Amino acid sequence: GESVGLHLPTLSVQEGDNSIINCAYSNSASDYFIWYKQESGKGPQFIIDIRSNMDKRQGQRVTVLLNKTVKHLSLQIAATQPGDSAVYFCAESRSNDYKLSFGAGTTVTVRA
Amino acid sequence: SQTIHQWPATLVQPVGSPLSLECTVEGTSNPNLYWYRQAAGRGLQLLFYSVGIGQISSEVPQNLSASRPQDRQFILSSKKLLLSDSGFYLCASSQGPGELFFGEGSRLTVL
Repeated sequence: GESVGLHLPTLSVQEGDNSIINCAYSNSASDYFIWYKQESGKGPQFIIDIRSNMDKRQGQRVTVLLNKTVKHLSLQIAATQPGDSAVYFCAESRSNDYKLSFGAGTTVTVRA
Repeated sequence: SQTIHQWPATLVQPVGSPLSLECTVEGTSNPNLYWYRQAAGRGLQLLFYSVGIGQISSEVPQNLSASRPQDRQFILSSKKLLLSDSGFYLCASSQGPGELFFGEGSRLTVL
């Protein structure tokens, strides 16, 4: 089965609020994690990544948190906007592996 | 940055017909190339990956095959499509372990 999964398949957020999307992984050997955003009918787009030697990384309006103790990854989106509505996937790999394993995705819907 | 081109974008095929989906990559050389399939409302399943011309690794047994005739060209094929082959097919590229760059996808409907 998949080694990466998301806690909730859907998330509804009020515009302007912060969003938190969670992901659990089971492979303790994984040391590279990445979040993708997929809009309807399009290919996934890179949001942010993090390596296992870090526990937090920030981008523009996004923050990824990594808790290796409980094998948990989260994506925080600040001041969620309608354009943030999409499916969000976490993925993991090992640094010497060319393959990413993806979770099932969380559908985020932003309410106006 | 890398650009991934996929075509056709949409395809409707009868059961038993052949399939050819093509992917080309710009902006990089000697990439690792991947074919993923995404069923409706589901995650991405890795079908094939290639680290070089003529080198194909299959991740799951299936009715599909892949070929890499040129460095930046990756083709997904089938001799006889099944209903279960319907889905959204994504080509991706990477330079070593790490971030994948995805194409816009090819939606296949088998009737």
